[in-house]
Amino acid sequence: QVQLVQSGAEVKKPGASVRVSCKASGYSFTDYYIHWVRQAPGQGLEWMGWFNPNSGGTISAQNFQGRVTMTRDTSINTAYMDLKRLTSDDTAFYYCARGGSRMSLYPIRDAYDIWGQGTVVTVSS
Amino acid sequence: QSVLTQSPSASGTPGQRVSIFCSGSSSNIGTNFVNWYLQLPGTAPKLLIYENNQRPSGVPDRFSGSKSGTSASLDISGLRPEDEADYYCAAWDDDLSGPVFGGGTKLTV
Repeated sequence: QVQLVQSGAEVKKPGASVRVSCKASGYSFTDYYIHWVRQAPGQGLEWMGWFNPNSGGTISAQNFQGRVTMTRDTSINTAYMDLKRLTSDDTAFYYCARGGSRMSLYPIRDAYDIWGQGTVVTVSS
Repeated sequence: QSVLTQSPSASGTPGQRVSIFCSGSSSNIGTNFVNWYLQLPGTAPKLLIYENNQRPSGVPDRFSGSKSGTSASLDISGLRPEDEADYYCAAWDDDLSGPVFGGGTKLTV
């Protein structure tokens, strides 16, 4: 079935970087945008950016510009999100989500129909 | 502070109908589709309604969405205990060039 499976929990110290992976299966990985969304403990959803697995193109939200990098390995249908210069405010669940198809009129605006199970990142000294 | 405004909580009894509201502006809800996500405790969000009022396959017709101007609502009829969850609205924002979410509404059944 169509699914996104994320990497396991991470514990990092302030100032470090973290990489979260998101492996797609059940569909053509390069045909759909991937979005990254995070959720701090007890808080709402915060969009981090989108990634085009076909072209490698990416846009990050203003709050994360300069700190987040989104990449992919098409040979293993996996997207990656790297976040650097971590602080305690980055402690959160991080989700990848499947967005619109490349065939869609406005793919980056489409809803997220498939979500990964989430990766908890804890930043603590 | 979320760009889209939702009431923090809503409640109802089994069998009742409940509405969850989402307020935005001309740069988001006013000109773009609204999507709704459901998040059960301890799980990832799930798409519930897309493009204002469309249900993905598998979502019961007890769930319906609508939009008027810069506001949107999610209606749940025939409330069930398993509907107890957090509900989030979302829409693309033209000014921010990205999607924005509501702060979430916790539904208690």
